Amino acid sequence: SQTIHQWPATLVQPVGSPLSLECTVEGTSNPNLYWYRQAAGRGLQLLFYSVGIGQISSEVPQNLSASRPQDRQFILSSKKLLLSDSGFYLCAWIDRFNTEAFFGQGTRLTVV
Amino acid sequence: ELKVEQNPLFLSMQEGKNYTIYCNYSTTSDRLYWYRQDPGKSLESLFVLLSNGAVKQEGRLMASLDTKARLSTLHITAAVHDLSATYFCAVDKDDSGTYKYIFGTGTRLKVLA
Repeated sequence: SQTIHQWPATLVQPVGSPLSLECTVEGTSNPNLYWYRQAAGRGLQLLFYSVGIGQISSEVPQNLSASRPQDRQFILSSKKLLLSDSGFYLCAWIDRFNTEAFFGQGTRLTVV
Repeated sequence: ELKVEQNPLFLSMQEGKNYTIYCNYSTTSDRLYWYRQDPGKSLESLFVLLSNGAVKQEGRLMASLDTKARLSTLHITAAVHDLSATYFCAVDKDDSGTYKYIFGTGTRLKVLA
């Protein structure tokens, strides 16, 4: 069966520090991968999605970036965090037939 | 601009009552998805509606899809406290037909004992 791993679960980082969140998927190949951010009490904002290795589509211009170095690995990064980057980050995968999405456990990022 | 709007945004209801959450979307997507999120947790898939007229039921929740009206509903029957959560709908295409997974604004449901 397919599983999705996301880490770390919580993170407290100072303003200006770098960020790296990792998401890996098991039990499937060539998944569509997504990064979302959820501000407190708000909806889910699509940040990046990827349909294959090295293919990244950015939805919102910001100081975040994403990479997909391997088929089942999706990384969210920042060189310098801002206070506004705080939120709940969710990784998701969706199979090529675009049925339901499966989410990681999420990373709660607090930038201080 | 792609819009996926839910109504209401907040809902407080008594146990035992019925209510409907609405999801309107602006794309030509013929699929619609419903998710549940408990506070501080990730999202859990509830329903996958894959065609016009699709209706699915699980316990006290029933979801339906009208692709012509670009409307999906999530009906709650005889609400219980355990249903308190935030509910999201999502579509899988934007206005240009590109596959993306876009979520609605969310409906925060609180069921009062």
